[in-house]
Amino acid sequence: GEDVEQSLFLSVREGDSSVINCTYTDSSSTYLYWYKQEPGAGLQLLTYIFSNMDMKQDQRLTVLLNKKDKHLSLRIADTQTGDSAIYFCAERVQGAQKLVFGQGTRLTINP
Amino acid sequence: KAGVTQTPRYLIKTRGQQVTLSCSPISGHRSVSWYQQTPGQGLQFLFEYFSETQRNKGNFPGRFSGRQFSNSRSEMNVSTLELGDSALYLCASSMGGENTEAFFGQGTRLTVV
Repeated sequence: GEDVEQSLFLSVREGDSSVINCTYTDSSSTYLYWYKQEPGAGLQLLTYIFSNMDMKQDQRLTVLLNKKDKHLSLRIADTQTGDSAIYFCAERVQGAQKLVFGQGTRLTINP
Repeated sequence: KAGVTQTPRYLIKTRGQQVTLSCSPISGHRSVSWYQQTPGQGLQFLFEYFSETQRNKGNFPGRFSGRQFSNSRSEMNVSTLELGDSALYLCASSMGGENTEAFFGQGTRLTVV
């Protein structure tokens, strides 16, 4: 079945890199996504990666995909206070528009 | 280009009542999906509509239903509300093809008292 797991909390110092990890179970997933949610807001799409890619970089964001281990990570370089939010990893169920989300990782930035 | 618009933003209803939530997708997008977000269960898929047809459905009771209009706007209805239906309801808009991004609205916060 489909299941996505994330650690619940991450705390980093301002200016450091943040790495948020995610594991998924559905090997047929075609796309994997990272969303950001700020308090009281909806989900903001940050980036996504196709399952036949290993890495994708977009400005301060780097996504790494290890398909063999079904492990996905999001690295945020030079973390800023504005990056404080909950980050969700999601897998796209093959052949459907359905997304299966992890529990979300709350990122806290320390000055 | 306008984003995904959900109305209303906040709702308070009483147990046993019914509620209708609305979602207007991004112009040109034909797929609308609905999700329920609660602290206990996280984000869960409700259903997806494409060209006025329900294509996928999650594991929710029949009290949860939806529809999509010819202009791609979608409504979600919950009948006989229960306290446990209190949640943030999010809708996502996409083109509907195989390799498309899903963009979310701000959500409707429903409180059942």
